[in-house]
Amino acid sequence: AQKVTQAQTEISVVEKEDVTLDCVYETRDTTYYLFWYKQPPSGELVFLIRRNSFDEQNEISGRYSWNFQKSTSSFNFTITASQVVDSAVYFCALRLARDQGGSEKLVFGKGTKLTVNP
Amino acid sequence: DGGITQSPKYLFRKEGQNVTLSCEQNLNHDAMYWYRQDPGQGLRLIYYSQIVNDFQKGDIAEGYSVSREKKESFPLTVTSAQKNPTAFYLCASSITAQGLTDTQYFGPGTRLTVL
Repeated sequence: AQKVTQAQTEISVVEKEDVTLDCVYETRDTTYYLFWYKQPPSGELVFLIRRNSFDEQNEISGRYSWNFQKSTSSFNFTITASQVVDSAVYFCALRLARDQGGSEKLVFGKGTKLTVNP
Repeated sequence: DGGITQSPKYLFRKEGQNVTLSCEQNLNHDAMYWYRQDPGQGLRLIYYSQIVNDFQKGDIAEGYSVSREKKESFPLTVTSAQKNPTAFYLCASSITAQGLTDTQYFGPGTRLTVL
């Protein structure tokens, strides 16, 4: 069975602080995809990043960076110099590769609510 | 502009009534999905469709029905059999049913409240 755990339910920081959102996943498959989505107060899920299981390179996009470590089954997300606009719920998700019998399902964690205070 | 639209944004329903949530996409995506979100629960898959005239049950399909008569449209009906329908409903789509790395893109959601 596949599972995604986001142990941090809520995080509150002050603007300009760095913050890391943790994501731990479980799967027995060797080929899979990991995702991060942002859900601002408006409700729409915004895609942030996709990473496949064969690519362990860390990724940086502006103030956002992602650390993928297969050895610990983690895919953590760091926001550097946080801003008020970063306040949202962030979801980590897992999906198996379809050619290995994976379904269409994205398995989501329960999300981490980030509040950035001015 | 390309994207996914859901209507209405807010929907109120009396107990015992069926209600249909709309989802339309103009991204030319083959696959479409419906998720339900409850507070603190993350998202759970209700139904998905990989191609026109075909759809599959997700984890929590009971009390829901869908149709996929057109590639652009994937309406969800919440029936009176759904015991706890008050939730936030999100529709998503992805590029192709054949692809291995298709990312799902989401619409703005419909918040359904049963009175």
